[in-house]
Amino acid sequence: ETGVTQSPTHLIKTRGQQVTLRCSSQSGHNTVSWYQQALGQGPQFIFQYYREEENGRGNFPPRFSGLQFPNYSSELNVNALELDDSALYLCASSLGGYGEGNTEAFFGQGTRLTVV
Amino acid sequence: AQSVSQHNHHVILSEAASLELGCNYSYGGTVNLFWYVQYPGQHLQLLLKYFSGDPLVKGIKGFEAEFIKSKFSFNLRKPSVQWSDTAEYFCAVILDSGNTPLVFGKGTRLSVIA
Repeated sequence: ETGVTQSPTHLIKTRGQQVTLRCSSQSGHNTVSWYQQALGQGPQFIFQYYREEENGRGNFPPRFSGLQFPNYSSELNVNALELDDSALYLCASSLGGYGEGNTEAFFGQGTRLTVV
Repeated sequence: AQSVSQHNHHVILSEAASLELGCNYSYGGTVNLFWYVQYPGQHLQLLLKYFSGDPLVKGIKGFEAEFIKSKFSFNLRKPSVQWSDTAEYFCAVILDSGNTPLVFGKGTRLSVIA
């Protein structure tokens, strides 16, 4: 176990709806990253939060947004869901910042989102 | 932009065969390198990692990887695979600053047959 927990584990939504996915980071970690893993693909970076600020974003539209809370847990929100948003959404936490070992990411089990 | 290439999409091996999965990255700075494994229905698990020092790193379950800086490569090896190694394997790279995203390859599916 990595100490990173995500909820819910599975979710079915209708096209056009909005969804919120949640992630609790490992104790002591101040950096949370979100990834989208489509079927048969590697995880694609959505965005990263470091000490409650977004400090990096991948090639995803603005309808993908997020938050990081003072306890470093995080949410991923997706508005106006599209069929192509169906994927496994992964959350990873790390120590962040400079220093050897700070980049190691610990992944949660993911939330499988199906958009119908 | 930083990218990671995994050469094999699907590898099929018999038990006890040797394994080598290729991984190349395109970034000239100082990087940290990882191999993750994803067993069917399970979350990503770290197999091994390279930050600095000895370029031959050993991970869990008998896996090892060699970092060859001149070739921008970080290939994964195992001398003798088992049926339980059937999984998806992902190579990932990140800048050592820690405030940049982890970039994954597309993955290699390994199927080990009896």
